[in-house]
Amino acid sequence: AQKVTQAQTEISVVEKEDVTLDCVYETRDTTYYLFWYKQPPSGELVFLIRRNSFDEQNEISGRYSWNFQKSTSSFNFTITASQVVDSAVYFCALSRGTDKLIFGTGTRLQVFP
Amino acid sequence: EPEVTQTPSHQVTQMGQEVILRCVPISNHLYFYWYRQILGQKVEFLVSFYNNEISEKSEIFDDQFSVERPDGSNFTLKIRSTKLEDSAMYFCASSEYIGGWETQYFGPGTRLLVL
Repeated sequence: AQKVTQAQTEISVVEKEDVTLDCVYETRDTTYYLFWYKQPPSGELVFLIRRNSFDEQNEISGRYSWNFQKSTSSFNFTITASQVVDSAVYFCALSRGTDKLIFGTGTRLQVFP
Repeated sequence: EPEVTQTPSHQVTQMGQEVILRCVPISNHLYFYWYRQILGQKVEFLVSFYNNEISEKSEIFDDQFSVERPDGSNFTLKIRSTKLEDSAMYFCASSEYIGGWETQYFGPGTRLLVL
């Protein structure tokens, strides 16, 4: 069975702090895809990143970076120098490809000025 | 940039009434999905749709739910007889299958409230 665990329910930081959101997944598939989505207070789901199981290279996009480690089945997301606009719920998700997304329960990030 | 659109943004209905939620997926996408999110909870898969038929459905997607692609652009979710527990945000998503890669792009959601 596939499962995504986001153990951090809520994180609060002060602006400019770095913050890491944890994601641990379970799957028996050898080919799978991992995603992060952002859900701001307005409610929509915004795609942030996709990673496939064969590519463990870490990725950086501006203040965002992702660390994928198959050995620990983790796909963690770090925001550097957080800003108030980063306040949102962040979801990690898993799929086999052309398949449903299995979402974690989300981590609510609050960034205070 | 192409995007998934959904209408209405909000819908209030009485228990037992039928509702139809509408979605316009990204034009060159081939796979369509409906998800729902009960307030404060995680996003849950309802159904996937490809080549004019259901590919997969979850246990949530019982006989009161149906999906349809009535024309070349719209993708609808119908709830025949709404229950209080159907109150949720419903998201439509679409993806373009490219050799195993897939990113699902979500619409802004329809917030359904059943009274």
